[in-house]
Amino acid sequence: QKEVEQNSGPLSVPEGAIASLNCTYSDRGSQSFFWYRQYSGKSPELIMFIYSNGDKEDGRFTAQLNKASQYVSLLIRDSQPSDSATYLCAVSYSSASKIIFGSGTRLSIRP
Amino acid sequence: EAQVTQNPRYLITVTGKKLTVTCSQNMNHEYMSWYRQDPGLGLRQIYYSMNVEVTDKGDVPEGYKVSRKEKRNFPLILESPSPNQTSLYFCASSPPVGPNTEAFFGQGTRLTVV
Repeated sequence: QKEVEQNSGPLSVPEGAIASLNCTYSDRGSQSFFWYRQYSGKSPELIMFIYSNGDKEDGRFTAQLNKASQYVSLLIRDSQPSDSATYLCAVSYSSASKIIFGSGTRLSIRP
Repeated sequence: EAQVTQNPRYLITVTGKKLTVTCSQNMNHEYMSWYRQDPGLGLRQIYYSMNVEVTDKGDVPEGYKVSRKEKRNFPLILESPSPNQTSLYFCASSPPVGPNTEAFFGQGTRLTVV
């Protein structure tokens, strides 16, 4: 079982709708959770991080964390064509000083 | 400007010819790491370094070497490259892993081994 799992997609969402991206993780010792966006051929860039149960909002983005169920999600409201990218979920373990990435979900926003 | 710089951006080489991909950061970060990215496999960690002269294997270290003689530099060395090392490589740096640690990535190096 992979440590961090994501549906590879592609996930197709109409412009203006809400895109919902999900990620599950296997290690209950996980400390922090990150969402990165990666455009094709480019390096990942951080969108949000979360480490407490519940929701965290930043503009059109909301990260949700449920440690009991071991999942983290990213909601993108009012989706724009520029949101079309691969979204990587990452989990950090301070005990091991490492960050584990999922394989990413490809999101496509259709006009 | 805070950044992580990798060189070269693109490299085509032949099997067995030693190569080095350089990585340099100007943020005084302790933690640096190398990843490779292959279709459907996401980012897989090759090696990481928690500080100068402290390095450790990641998930896919076979065929790679690293060194950390200075805090800012973390080169990736392929002593005898093989075609299965054809991939997109990223260097990243960050402060010590904590609740809000952000990894900063270099621009990537696309390596082709023929």
